[in-house]
Amino acid sequence: DGGITQSPKYLFRKEGQNVTLSCEQNLNHDAMYWYRQDPGQGLRLIYYSQIVNDFQKGDIAEGYSVSREKKESFPLTVTSAQKNPTAFYLCASRGQAPNTEAFFGQGTRLTVV
Amino acid sequence: AQKITQTQPGMFVQEKEAVTLDCTYDTSDPSYGLFWYKQPSSGEMIFLIYQGSYDQQNATEGRYSLNFQKARKSANLVISASQLGDSAMYFCAMREDNYGQNFVFGPGTRLSVLP
Repeated sequence: DGGITQSPKYLFRKEGQNVTLSCEQNLNHDAMYWYRQDPGQGLRLIYYSQIVNDFQKGDIAEGYSVSREKKESFPLTVTSAQKNPTAFYLCASRGQAPNTEAFFGQGTRLTVV
Repeated sequence: AQKITQTQPGMFVQEKEAVTLDCTYDTSDPSYGLFWYKQPSSGEMIFLIYQGSYDQQNATEGRYSLNFQKARKSANLVISASQLGDSAMYFCAMREDNYGQNFVFGPGTRLSVLP
């Protein structure tokens, strides 16, 4: 089945540690996105990528890093520089046609302990 | 600047009645798309409906319709015959075709359907 997979579903991090969230899609989509969602809030764009080996900062990129070495994969690293990383992280992808929606993964809930 | 505004943090509607969720947007790109998503408590994002900036008619998908008023830059979602399962967060989103093609969301509206 085509889709977008995020792993892990739950992640616990100690303060000062970097962690990487995985996002893989087999939809052959060029564009991929990472969003952060805090409780009861909307989705804020962290990074997005429209093509392999290229990505752009979103509204809240500080403390995060990404890579796009393969079309299928867009991992997000939450670095120790991110002071308040506890949140729900959603990855999405979409095709290039203007009327195509973004498809989302099931999300990763990151908690700092 | 906030590109998507949803002014209703929470809404209540009686089961079987219709409800309108507001969305206004801000862009100078002549080519853009507007999307509505539903997010139940499970956290998944469910696509509901799409409206393109050049579409002449309002989009409809089953019980969902989009009241698109381009001059006012509004794209309100109308849910007819509300069901208990419609209780969720609803997000309006916009894609600008010429300005980086990012995909931005509004703050959302929490809809509660009352039996």
